[in-house]
Amino acid sequence: GQQLNQSPQSMFIQEGEDVSMNCTSSSIFNTWLWYKQDPGEGPVLLIALYKAGELTSNGRLTAQFGITRKDSFLNISASIPSDVGIYFCAGPDRGSTLGRLYFGRGTQLTVWP
Amino acid sequence: EPEVTQTPSHQVTQMGQEVILRCVPISNHLYFYWYRQILGQKVEFLVSFYNNEISEKSEIFDDQFSVERPDGSNFTLKIRSTKLEDSAMYFCASRGQWNSPLHFGNGTRLTVT
Repeated sequence: GQQLNQSPQSMFIQEGEDVSMNCTSSSIFNTWLWYKQDPGEGPVLLIALYKAGELTSNGRLTAQFGITRKDSFLNISASIPSDVGIYFCAGPDRGSTLGRLYFGRGTQLTVWP
Repeated sequence: EPEVTQTPSHQVTQMGQEVILRCVPISNHLYFYWYRQILGQKVEFLVSFYNNEISEKSEIFDDQFSVERPDGSNFTLKIRSTKLEDSAMYFCASRGQWNSPLHFGNGTRLTVT
């Protein structure tokens, strides 16, 4: 299957700081998705990107679909304690419908008050 | 907002026993999925289901696994003879259209002893 490499693996920041994480792949993706998982819960979709170069915001979150279609990044501005969780990038198998997703290993974010 | 609901939240079973994990997808959704997440690892696709049949399955989804939509609302995952390595969080997901993002449930934690 396709491999998504996410970095960093974990981040420890202070409240109010900005955060940046990224995801790369050895193969092209036509869609990039960013999910957040809180402890004991399922992944929740944050942002969906459908076009190379696309820059999309959702509140304090901004994500971009890389021009090469092999990478994406997610930025969180002015972090708050409820931003704590695991952030996953995901993309669909090119030979599949949108439902079969490949996930990165996640970035664990910890925000200190 | 409509949710995917999963029961039970935690299931403990002995090796070799059969388990059935239950899901109620969002009511007007047509595509259904099971994913799993072994502790500390990434989320992995198991199977997709549409129009009362499996449309795709991964190499993880072997003969020990089966899915069923026994009525208009439930979607189940059965593991016939559980192994220790089946211990994981199992997430049900659904979507309304083939190109819309997935909505995940909160998962069932399966512990095989």
